[in-house]
Amino acid sequence: SYVVTQPPSVSVAPGQTARITCGGNNIGSKVVHWYQQKPGQAPVLVVYDDSDRPSGIPERFSGSNSGNTATLTISRVEAGDEAEYYCQVWHSTDHPVFGGGTKVTVL
Amino acid sequence: DVQLVESGGGLVKPGGSLRLSCAASGFTFSRFTMHWVRQAPGKGLEWVSSIGSSSSSISYADSLKGRFTISRDNAKNSLYLQMSNLRAEDTAVYYCARDRGNGDFGPWGQGTLVTVSS
Repeated sequence: SYVVTQPPSVSVAPGQTARITCGGNNIGSKVVHWYQQKPGQAPVLVVYDDSDRPSGIPERFSGSNSGNTATLTISRVEAGDEAEYYCQVWHSTDHPVFGGGTKVTVL
Repeated sequence: DVQLVESGGGLVKPGGSLRLSCAASGFTFSRFTMHWVRQAPGKGLEWVSSIGSSSSSISYADSLKGRFTISRDNAKNSLYLQMSNLRAEDTAVYYCARDRGNGDFGPWGQGTLVTVSS
């Protein structure tokens, strides 16, 4: 099956930029979606189709996808961005796969 | 507002069964593929099952080995997950989620906790 790999944790100071990677074999040929999950809450879609944002998601959240790595970038990080972030792709037409998650800590 | 509300979770003994429900509102339920995703305590997200808008397309995670059955009732705007022969490793919060149209999930329900323990 297709495996996507995320770093367990990323730490960033307020106002700086956080980059969360999602690695997979030729992931650039797939469409990647990203979710934010705060403790005790359901996941929320923050980036879809590699780099698009749903309505209501700040422009500070952006995405890219090329080669073997997709990246979620959070610019001008705020305390409220502290959460777990998951990438998601489709291994085949009927099997979605989630990355293991990355905990973003705002210092 | 688009809303998904899960119910039916609880404590069940190993080998037991449970049926989860997800009530949808605020959108035309019959037009959307729906998913179940679970999250074991302290762990990441794991896709469980998907069902197409007309129930003609259904898929399951390989790890479930035929123990779970997904279904929907478009007349009742409801999604279901019948779980049988439950194991301790099935303990998790179970979320229902709408497919937005390109395999991205949103919104998600608040989740319902299933605990399998003797």
